[in-house]
Amino acid sequence: AQTVTQSQPEMSVQEAETVTLSCTYDTSESNYYLFWYKQPPSRQMILVIRQEAYKQQNATENRFSVNFQKAAKSFSLKISDSQLGDTAMYFCAFMKHGRGDNNDMRFGAGTRLTVKP
Amino acid sequence: DTGVSQDPRHKITKRGQNVTFRCDPISEHNRLYWYRQTLGQGPEFLTYFQNEAQLEKSRLLSDRFSAERPKGSFSTLEIQRTEQGDSAMYLCASSPRTGVEKLFFGSGTQLSVL
Repeated sequence: AQTVTQSQPEMSVQEAETVTLSCTYDTSESNYYLFWYKQPPSRQMILVIRQEAYKQQNATENRFSVNFQKAAKSFSLKISDSQLGDTAMYFCAFMKHGRGDNNDMRFGAGTRLTVKP
Repeated sequence: DTGVSQDPRHKITKRGQNVTFRCDPISEHNRLYWYRQTLGQGPEFLTYFQNEAQLEKSRLLSDRFSAERPKGSFSTLEIQRTEQGDSAMYLCASSPRTGVEKLFFGSGTQLSVL
């Protein structure tokens, strides 16, 4: 079974600063996907960034980037130039590659990020 | 692309009553997922469909829970004889067929069991 662990329940950062959220996972699969989702107070889950495990290059999306360490099973999210609108719960998630069963997305417990003005 | 739609947004019910939620996925997404989320926790997987076939059910899904996707389009999640522990946000998500493994979420249905 795949598990996802986020060891930081809460974090805060000053506006315009950089913050890194940690995530580790456990799996025996070799081909999979990792995600960071953002959930603001509206509770709408929004995809922030996605990484394919077979790609060595770290994914980036504007101010968001990841540090993917496959051997260490680590997948951290870096937010640069933090903005007030980044305040939200952030969930790390794992999804196995495949077409059949056992192909659901598994989430960590989340990190509550507060961006302070 | 109108997004994943869930109805109702909020539901308040008394313990012991039955409730049904509806999810309309993004058109032509053939995978549909149901998750449950309690406050301060990550979403927990309940079940998922590929077209009309229910491919996986979590052990969290007791016999009081049933989900259907009869024509491979919209889905319903029914909870019979609700209990206070069923109070949670129920999230639906859809995903394209293959090669684009990512989920698009609806806004959820917030259930409160009194």
